[in-house]
Amino acid sequence: QVQLQESGPGLLKPSETLSLTCTVSDYSISSGYYWGWIRQPPGRGLEWIGGIYRDGTTYYNPSLKSRVTISVDTSKNQFSLKLSSVTAADTAVYYCARSIAGQLLFNFWGQGTLVTVSS
Amino acid sequence: DVVMTQSPDSLAVSLGERATINCKSSQSLLHSSNNRNYLAWFQQKPGQPPKLLIYWASTRESGVPDRFSGSGSGTDFTLTISSLQAEDVAVYYCQQFYTSSYTFGQGTKLEIK
Repeated sequence: QVQLQESGPGLLKPSETLSLTCTVSDYSISSGYYWGWIRQPPGRGLEWIGGIYRDGTTYYNPSLKSRVTISVDTSKNQFSLKLSSVTAADTAVYYCARSIAGQLLFNFWGQGTLVTVSS
Repeated sequence: DVVMTQSPDSLAVSLGERATINCKSSQSLLHSSNNRNYLAWFQQKPGQPPKLLIYWASTRESGVPDRFSGSGSGTDFTLTISSLQAEDVAVYYCQQFYTSSYTFGQGTKLEIK
Protein backbone atom coordinates (compact mmCIF):
# COMPACT_ATOMS: atom_id res chain seq x y z
CA GLN A 1 0.00 0.00 0.00
CA VAL A 2 1.19 3.50 -0.80
CA GLN A 3 3.32 5.27 1.76
CA LEU A 4 4.08 8.99 1.95
CA GLN A 5 6.77 10.81 3.90
CA GLU A 6 7.15 14.55 4.31
CA SER A 7 10.56 16.18 4.65
CA GLY A 8 11.93 19.69 4.95
CA PRO A 9 13.04 22.37 7.38
CA GLY A 10 11.16 22.50 10.65
CA LEU A 11 11.94 26.11 11.52
CA LEU A 12 11.59 29.19 9.37
CA LYS A 13 11.78 32.92 9.92
CA PRO A 14 8.98 35.27 8.89
CA SER A 15 9.06 36.23 5.19
CA GLU A 16 10.99 33.08 4.21
CA THR A 17 9.70 30.42 1.83
CA LEU A 18 8.51 27.10 3.18
CA SER A 19 9.68 24.16 1.07
CA LEU A 20 8.54 20.61 1.72
CA THR A 21 8.93 17.41 -0.25
CA CYS A 22 6.75 14.32 -0.13
CA THR A 23 8.43 11.06 -1.07
CA VAL A 24 6.04 8.37 -2.25
CA SER A 25 6.77 4.65 -1.82
CA ASP A 26 5.06 1.51 -3.12
CA TYR A 27 3.17 3.40 -5.80
CA SER A 28 4.25 5.33 -8.86
CA ILE A 29 2.97 8.91 -9.03
CA SER A 30 2.93 8.47 -12.82
CA SER A 31 0.24 5.79 -12.49
CA GLY A 32 -2.46 8.24 -11.50
CA TYR A 33 -4.44 9.79 -8.63
CA TYR A 34 -4.11 13.29 -7.28
CA TRP A 35 -1.43 14.23 -4.77
CA GLY A 36 -1.74 17.05 -2.32
CA TRP A 37 -1.04 18.97 0.84
CA ILE A 38 -3.13 19.73 3.91
CA ARG A 39 -2.07 21.57 7.05
CA GLN A 40 -3.15 21.75 10.67
CA PRO A 41 -2.06 24.48 13.11
CA PRO A 42 -1.25 23.06 16.55
CA GLY A 43 -4.46 22.22 18.41
CA ARG A 44 -6.65 23.44 15.57
CA GLY A 45 -8.52 22.21 12.53
CA LEU A 46 -7.55 21.19 9.01
CA GLU A 47 -6.92 23.39 5.97
CA TRP A 48 -6.70 22.04 2.43
CA ILE A 49 -3.76 23.65 0.64
CA GLY A 50 -3.81 22.17 -2.84
CA GLY A 51 -3.16 19.26 -5.12
CA ILE A 52 -1.49 18.15 -8.33
CA TYR A 53 -2.04 15.49 -10.96
CA ARG A 54 0.67 13.42 -12.58
CA ASP A 55 0.62 15.69 -15.66
CA GLY A 56 1.45 18.71 -13.50
CA THR A 57 -2.05 20.22 -13.41
CA THR A 58 -2.41 22.06 -10.13
CA TYR A 59 -5.33 22.97 -7.90
CA TYR A 60 -4.98 25.51 -5.10
CA ASN A 61 -7.09 26.73 -2.22
CA PRO A 62 -8.11 30.26 -3.32
CA SER A 63 -7.19 31.63 0.12
CA LEU A 64 -3.56 30.53 -0.34
CA LYS A 65 -3.24 30.56 -4.11
CA SER A 66 -1.09 33.69 -4.33
CA ARG A 67 1.62 32.12 -2.15
CA VAL A 68 1.49 28.41 -3.02
CA THR A 69 3.28 26.35 -5.64
CA ILE A 70 2.94 22.58 -5.87
CA SER A 71 5.11 20.63 -8.28
CA VAL A 72 5.78 17.00 -9.13
CA ASP A 73 8.94 15.13 -10.04
CA THR A 74 7.87 11.77 -11.41
CA SER A 75 11.48 10.65 -11.92
CA LYS A 76 12.05 10.84 -8.17
CA ASN A 77 8.48 9.83 -7.30
CA GLN A 78 8.16 13.00 -5.26
CA PHE A 79 5.99 16.07 -5.15
CA SER A 80 6.69 19.35 -3.40
CA LEU A 81 5.10 22.33 -1.71
CA LYS A 82 6.39 25.88 -1.65
CA LEU A 83 4.68 28.56 0.43
CA SER A 84 6.15 32.03 0.17
CA SER A 85 6.26 34.94 2.62
CA VAL A 86 5.45 32.84 5.67
CA THR A 87 4.23 34.31 8.95
CA ALA A 88 3.52 32.82 12.36
CA ALA A 89 0.04 31.97 11.08
CA ASP A 90 1.65 29.39 8.77
CA THR A 91 2.96 27.40 11.75
CA ALA A 92 1.34 24.00 11.37
CA VAL A 93 1.74 20.30 10.83
CA TYR A 94 1.91 19.82 7.07
CA TYR A 95 0.60 16.56 5.64
CA CYS A 96 1.07 15.18 2.16
CA ALA A 97 -1.51 12.77 0.84
CA ARG A 98 -2.90 10.75 -2.08
CA SER A 99 -6.45 10.97 -3.29
CA ILE A 100 -9.26 8.58 -3.97
CA ALA A 101 -9.86 7.89 -7.64
CA GLY A 102 -11.02 10.89 -9.61
CA GLN A 103 -11.42 13.38 -6.77
CA LEU A 104 -9.17 15.71 -4.78
CA LEU A 105 -10.20 13.92 -1.59
CA PHE A 106 -7.33 12.33 0.28
CA ASN A 107 -7.40 8.85 1.76
CA PHE A 108 -3.70 8.04 2.17
CA TRP A 109 -1.77 10.46 4.36
CA GLY A 110 1.79 10.89 5.52
CA GLN A 111 2.48 11.24 9.24
CA GLY A 112 2.98 14.99 8.90
CA THR A 113 5.82 17.35 9.65
CA LEU A 114 5.71 20.34 11.97
CA VAL A 115 6.86 23.62 10.52
CA THR A 116 7.31 26.49 12.94
CA VAL A 117 7.64 30.10 11.83
CA SER A 118 9.37 32.22 14.42
CA SER A 119 11.85 35.07 14.51
CA ASP B 1 -16.49 30.22 0.20
CA VAL B 2 -18.32 27.18 1.58
CA VAL B 3 -18.48 27.19 5.37
CA MET B 4 -18.82 23.86 7.15
CA THR B 5 -20.29 23.95 10.65
CA GLN B 6 -20.28 20.91 12.89
CA SER B 7 -22.35 20.28 15.98
CA PRO B 8 -21.76 19.67 18.75
CA ASP B 9 -18.18 20.80 19.34
CA SER B 10 -17.74 17.96 21.82
CA LEU B 11 -19.71 14.89 22.73
CA ALA B 12 -19.52 12.28 25.49
CA VAL B 13 -21.22 8.94 24.87
CA SER B 14 -21.27 5.71 26.87
CA LEU B 15 -19.62 2.62 25.45
CA GLY B 16 -22.05 0.68 23.28
CA GLU B 17 -24.33 3.67 22.80
CA ARG B 18 -24.99 5.64 19.61
CA ALA B 19 -22.99 8.74 18.77
CA THR B 20 -24.28 11.30 16.28
CA ILE B 21 -22.34 14.21 14.79
CA ASN B 22 -23.90 16.80 12.52
CA CYS B 23 -22.40 18.86 9.73
CA LYS B 24 -24.07 21.74 7.91
CA SER B 25 -22.72 23.41 4.80
CA SER B 26 -23.43 26.98 3.72
CA GLN B 27 -24.38 25.79 0.25
CA SER B 28 -25.68 22.59 -1.25
CA LEU B 29 -23.09 19.89 -1.83
CA LEU B 30 -25.40 17.89 -4.11
CA HIS B 31 -24.13 17.93 -7.67
CA SER B 32 -26.93 17.75 -10.21
CA SER B 33 -24.78 16.03 -12.85
CA ASN B 34 -24.35 12.84 -10.85
CA ASN B 35 -26.76 13.22 -7.91
CA ARG B 36 -23.87 12.82 -5.48
CA ASN B 37 -23.15 14.76 -2.30
CA TYR B 38 -19.55 15.92 -2.16
CA LEU B 39 -19.17 15.40 1.57
CA ALA B 40 -16.62 13.33 3.48
CA TRP B 41 -15.98 12.41 7.11
CA PHE B 42 -12.59 11.95 8.75
CA GLN B 43 -11.47 10.58 12.11
CA GLN B 44 -8.31 11.92 13.75
CA LYS B 45 -6.70 10.40 16.81
CA PRO B 46 -4.01 12.25 18.78
CA GLY B 47 -0.65 12.33 17.05
CA GLN B 48 -2.03 10.71 13.90
CA PRO B 49 -3.05 12.00 10.48
CA PRO B 50 -6.74 12.10 9.69
CA LYS B 51 -8.32 8.89 8.42
CA LEU B 52 -10.99 8.97 5.72
CA LEU B 53 -14.11 7.18 6.95
CA ILE B 54 -16.87 8.11 4.51
CA TYR B 55 -17.21 9.94 1.20
CA TRP B 56 -20.09 10.77 -1.13
CA ALA B 57 -21.84 11.38 2.22
CA SER B 58 -22.58 7.69 2.79
CA THR B 59 -19.94 5.48 1.12
CA ARG B 60 -17.67 3.80 3.65
CA GLU B 61 -13.98 3.76 2.83
CA SER B 62 -12.48 0.29 2.53
CA GLY B 63 -11.75 -1.26 5.93
CA VAL B 64 -13.96 1.10 7.94
CA PRO B 65 -16.17 -0.79 10.40
CA ASP B 66 -19.85 -0.86 9.53
CA ARG B 67 -20.78 0.77 12.84
CA PHE B 68 -19.80 4.01 11.08
CA SER B 69 -22.45 5.37 8.73
CA GLY B 70 -23.09 8.64 6.96
CA SER B 71 -26.36 10.18 5.86
CA GLY B 72 -27.84 13.41 4.62
CA SER B 73 -28.08 15.41 1.43
CA GLY B 74 -27.82 18.97 0.21
CA THR B 75 -26.67 21.01 3.19
CA ASP B 76 -27.27 18.75 6.20
CA PHE B 77 -25.26 15.65 6.97
CA THR B 78 -24.79 13.22 9.86
CA LEU B 79 -22.12 10.79 10.94
CA THR B 80 -23.43 8.01 13.17
CA ILE B 81 -21.47 5.52 15.20
CA SER B 82 -24.03 2.86 16.06
CA SER B 83 -22.28 1.33 19.07
CA LEU B 84 -19.39 3.32 20.46
CA GLN B 85 -16.14 1.48 21.04
CA ALA B 86 -13.21 2.71 23.10
CA GLU B 87 -11.06 3.04 19.99
CA ASP B 88 -13.55 5.51 18.49
CA VAL B 89 -12.39 8.29 20.83
CA ALA B 90 -11.12 10.92 18.40
CA VAL B 91 -11.88 14.21 16.72
CA TYR B 92 -14.19 13.92 13.74
CA TYR B 93 -14.19 16.32 10.80
CA CYS B 94 -16.51 16.75 7.87
CA GLN B 95 -15.11 18.10 4.60
CA GLN B 96 -16.71 19.32 1.41
CA PHE B 97 -15.03 18.48 -1.87
CA TYR B 98 -17.55 20.36 -4.03
CA THR B 99 -15.64 23.64 -4.38
CA SER B 100 -11.98 24.53 -4.76
CA SER B 101 -11.53 25.49 -1.11
CA TYR B 102 -12.26 21.92 0.05
CA THR B 103 -13.17 23.26 3.48
CA PHE B 104 -13.34 21.26 6.68
CA GLY B 105 -15.65 21.65 9.62
CA GLN B 106 -14.13 22.80 12.89
CA GLY B 107 -14.15 19.29 14.35
CA THR B 108 -16.14 17.42 16.98
CA LYS B 109 -14.33 15.83 19.90
CA LEU B 110 -15.84 12.49 20.87
CA GLU B 111 -15.15 11.09 24.32
CA ILE B 112 -16.36 8.26 26.50
CA LYS B 113 -18.92 9.11 29.18
